[in-house]
Amino acid sequence: EAGVAQSPRYKIIEKRQSVAFWCNPISGHATLYWYQQILGQGPKLLIQFQNNGVVDDSQLPKDRFSAERLKGVDSTLKIQPAKLEDSAVYLCASSPLRGRVKKTQYFGPGTRLLVL
Amino acid sequence: GENVEQHPSTLSVQEGDSAVIKCTYSDSASNYFPWYKQELGKGPQLIIDIRSNVGEKKDQRIAVTLNKTAKHFSLHITETQPEDSAVYFCAATSQTGANNLFFGTGTRLTVIP
Repeated sequence: EAGVAQSPRYKIIEKRQSVAFWCNPISGHATLYWYQQILGQGPKLLIQFQNNGVVDDSQLPKDRFSAERLKGVDSTLKIQPAKLEDSAVYLCASSPLRGRVKKTQYFGPGTRLLVL
Repeated sequence: GENVEQHPSTLSVQEGDSAVIKCTYSDSASNYFPWYKQELGKGPQLIIDIRSNVGEKKDQRIAVTLNKTAKHFSLHITETQPEDSAVYFCAATSQTGANNLFFGTGTRLTVIP
């Protein structure tokens, strides 16, 4: 079974530029998550989708971050304009849904963003 | 919201010794506690998990214990090997709720050959 795919793996941009990350979850997984992992810290949830609907985006800085999962499969996360403090690893995870219970989350390799 | 604390932040052990990492959580509604291993340049990889209706779970050299009353859970690695060197994260969530994982701050484990 293929894992969670993410691209690009690395990105370097200047502050105030925009950037987009792409995630393809494990086939059949209804729930998709985006996490931000700052160096030396644990991942922190940005947004959760169930199919193509947003379940929780309470921690997403909506003035500069946006995300979508239009067809309930792939997802994109965008930052516009980027700030220095956005330098981090952006992790995508997915989990299957069994009835109302969301199961174990599996993570992709992440996209490492450096904002100069 | 949930708050997960993890100790120690760094841990060095001799090859063959045991390693123990401890976590506490604050939300009594949390019912699922996974442990992830993260190697340099990679995403977190699930190594073991435990649900709140179980007190202990083992998988070869790895075990996890859960004390729901005290709201703490621990990872035990026996007979450590150099390839166990990585950063380990504990997490907590309610799988019957939003299932958003709340992570600890990580433990960098170094196994000295």
